[in-house]
Amino acid sequence: QVQLQESGPGLVEPSETLSLTCTVSGGSVRRGSYYWGWVRQPPGKRPEWIGYIYYSGSTSYNPSLKSRVTISVDTSKNQFSLKLTSVTAADTAMYYCTRWAGEMAAIVDHWGRGTLVTVSS
Amino acid sequence: QSALTQPASVSGSPGQSITISCIGTTSDVGTFNYVSWYQQHPGQAPKLIIYEVNNRPSGVSNRFSGSKSANTASLTISGLQSEDEADYFCSSYTTSSTRVFGGGTKLTVL
Repeated sequence: QVQLQESGPGLVEPSETLSLTCTVSGGSVRRGSYYWGWVRQPPGKRPEWIGYIYYSGSTSYNPSLKSRVTISVDTSKNQFSLKLTSVTAADTAMYYCTRWAGEMAAIVDHWGRGTLVTVSS
Repeated sequence: QSALTQPASVSGSPGQSITISCIGTTSDVGTFNYVSWYQQHPGQAPKLIIYEVNNRPSGVSNRFSGSKSANTASLTISGLQSEDEADYFCSSYTTSSTRVFGGGTKLTVL
């Protein structure tokens, strides 16, 4: 059974860079047909797709965040990571690492438990 | 990108059936059969319960079913059980190659 676990600071100062890592167990990020990505959910608001990466390094990002987001993958550690630059209070959210499946990679078939990131000084 | 609209809450008694709607546009739900539904209990990770409008992953109860008409997708839960009390949200692929989510619906089992 594939399991995803987020790790990283729970508090980030405004204008700094948010960095999170997702460790995958029970499966390999190198397995074809799956994409590895991030979804966030601000308190009391709807989830928001951030983006995803294929093991080859090919990425797709939400246009609303594209200028600030980088998702990378480390196949040797079976991990993938998120970096979000120039954060503000609006970036405070629960961040979930996710596995995307299906013909258009439109199905999240596995979610991490999520990690709350607060942007505050 | 547009968002998907869901009712904030629905409720039902044990044994009854309820339906949760997910209203989109021709840019998402109305064009693609890539609608998914997720169940989330408090403090837990979301769980996929329906994908591609009306398909259930292995292990998901057949009391959960999905459908779509025009720009509206629906999730029906039949034979309500106390364990079904949770938040439910939908998602869809879009014509912009993005993914959008609904705001979530809190199901209360009376």
